[in-house]
Parts: sequence; structure tokens; C-alpha cells
Amino acid sequence: KQEVTQIPAALSVPEGENLVLNCSFTDSAIYNLQWFRQDPGKGLTSLLLIQSSQREQTSGRLNASLDKSSGRSTLYIAASQPGDSATYLCAVRPGAGNMLTFGGGTRLMVKP
Amino acid sequence: GAGVSQSPSNKVTEKGKDVELRCDPISGHTALYWYRQSLGQGLEFLIYFQGNSAPDKSGLPSDRFSAERTGGSVSTLTIQRTQQEDSAVYLCASSLVRGSAGELFFGEGSRLTVL
Repeated sequence: KQEVTQIPAALSVPEGENLVLNCSFTDSAIYNLQWFRQDPGKGLTSLLLIQSSQREQTSGRLNASLDKSSGRSTLYIAASQPGDSATYLCAVRPGAGNMLTFGGGTRLMVKP
Repeated sequence: GAGVSQSPSNKVTEKGKDVELRCDPISGHTALYWYRQSLGQGLEFLIYFQGNSAPDKSGLPSDRFSAERTGGSVSTLTIQRTQQEDSAVYLCASSLVRGSAGELFFGEGSRLTVL
């Protein structure tokens, strides 16, 4: 059974810092990995999707990397802003099957 | 539509009542998921629909939960004889078929409170 872990569970940083969020998974037989953002009381917003054959994806100040063999992904946020404050979730889609497995999320607060 | 639409956004009901939650996926998306997010908990998979294939119901927590998807588009999640532990946010997501990127897009969720 796939297990997805996100560390740290919560993070507070001053504005302008570069930061890294971690996601690890136990079964490397994945189809893709997706990073989401969730604001309080809202649904999930897709940030980046990395296919199993890819090493990284970039969107603006966000960069996600994938090391499938070691079961790890990182989300790098450059020059953090207060508007980046949210919960960040990673989800793994298996190589076979339909169920995405989500991590518990990292709650990020960026202080002005 | 432009995004995944869910209704109602909030539902308060009494224990023992039945509720229906609706999801309208992005036009053209053949895959549809229901997830549940309880307070302080992670996302829990409930059910998956793909085209005309039999749904994957492996995540439904009890036989009080059921879902259907009519015409390959709109889906309804029904909870019968609601219990207080059913209180949660029910999230719907859709994606293109798996053979493409398979990126999931979520709706804003339906917050269910069972008194």
C-alpha cells in the first residue's frame, strides 16, 4: 500500500526566503506526482504535475523535482510572498490503478 | 464549464437524513473522482468513474454511501441515514483520460455538517 509523507507538517518563514517542501512515497511504481495548493475553506489548486519519466517541472517561482527511485519529490518556492501562505499537498498516482494517494500536507505561513 | 463545479457549497443536516452532493466536471473530462477531507485529516479516496467503465468503489466507507454518474458527465454522491462522523468536506475532481497527462482539477468542495 502506497504511503505518502510530507515534511515538515508546518513551516513559518519571513517573506523573501527560498524554501523547500518535501514529499516522500513508499512505492516507486508511480505514474505521476502532482503538487497542489489549498487555501482555507477552498478546494485544491493544481500547481505542478510531474510524469514518472520526468525529473522536474517549473512554473514561475515554483520548481518541483522527482526522484522516483528514492521515492522523493521536492517543491521549491523561490522568493516567498505572504500570498504563498496555504497548505501544500502532494499526491501520487500509481502505475496501475486509479486511486491517488495524498500526503498530509505542509501548512506554510509566509510572514510580511 | 471552465472548472469543476460542486453544489451545494454548504449543507447542514440532521442525523439520519439523506443528502445528495452534486459534481459537474470540466467539459470533456472522462475521469471523475470523489474524495473526502475531514477536519485535520488528509484526503480520503471514495470513488472513481472513468467513461462507461464500472466505477472503482473501493474507497466508500459503508453501504450508506453511493454515487452515480449519469451520461458520463454529472455525478451525484448520496449519503443515506447520515451520521455525525460523515461531517467533512466532500471534494470532486476530474481529469482527461489516463493516457494523457492525467492532471486532476478539483472543485471547491461541499462542506457537510451533520448535527
